[in-house]
Amino acid sequence: AQTVTQSQPEMSVQEAETVTLSCTYDTSESNYYLFWYKQPPSRQMILVIRQEAYKQQNATENRFSVNFQKAAKSFSLKISDSQLGDTAMYFCAFMKQLVSDMRFGAGTRLTVKP
Amino acid sequence: EAGVAQSPRYKIIEKRQSVAFWCNPISGHATLYWYQQILGQGPKLLIQFQNNGVVDDSQLPKDRFSAERLKGVDSTLKIQPAKLEDSAVYLCASSFGLAGGDEQYFGPGTRLTVT
Repeated sequence: AQTVTQSQPEMSVQEAETVTLSCTYDTSESNYYLFWYKQPPSRQMILVIRQEAYKQQNATENRFSVNFQKAAKSFSLKISDSQLGDTAMYFCAFMKQLVSDMRFGAGTRLTVKP
Repeated sequence: EAGVAQSPRYKIIEKRQSVAFWCNPISGHATLYWYQQILGQGPKLLIQFQNNGVVDDSQLPKDRFSAERLKGVDSTLKIQPAKLEDSAVYLCASSFGLAGGDEQYFGPGTRLTVT
């Protein structure tokens, strides 16, 4: 069974600084997808970034980028130039290639301080 | 484009009572998911539909939970009878297809408190 581990229950960062959220996963699959989802307080979950395991290039979306280390089964999220609106729960998630059963980590609560 | 709609947003019931949640996915999305998110945990998939057929319900406690998706659009999730440990946020999500990697769009959730 696939498991996703987020070892940082809470983190904080000053506005405009950079923060990295960690995620590791366990799988025997060779092809899969990894995601970071953001869940702001009292608002719905939205996709931040997605990575296909067969792609070596790390995904980037504006201020958000990932460091995907397939051999180490590590998938960290870097947020540059942090903004107050980045305050949220961040979930790392894993999905097999041919099915859409998504497995989530326990989440990291990120607080951006002014 | 309208997002995933859910109702009610909040519900408080006593144990052993029954409750139902409703979800309307994004128009045109074939796949619909129900997740249970217990406080302090990530969402856990309960059931997945493609159109009006069940794809995966392996984690649904079938002795008390049921779900249906009539006509392949709206869906309802029911709990009968509720237990204290059912207190959680119930999230509905939808995606265009069934293929792995499809982005899932989430609704705002229904927060259930069982007393």
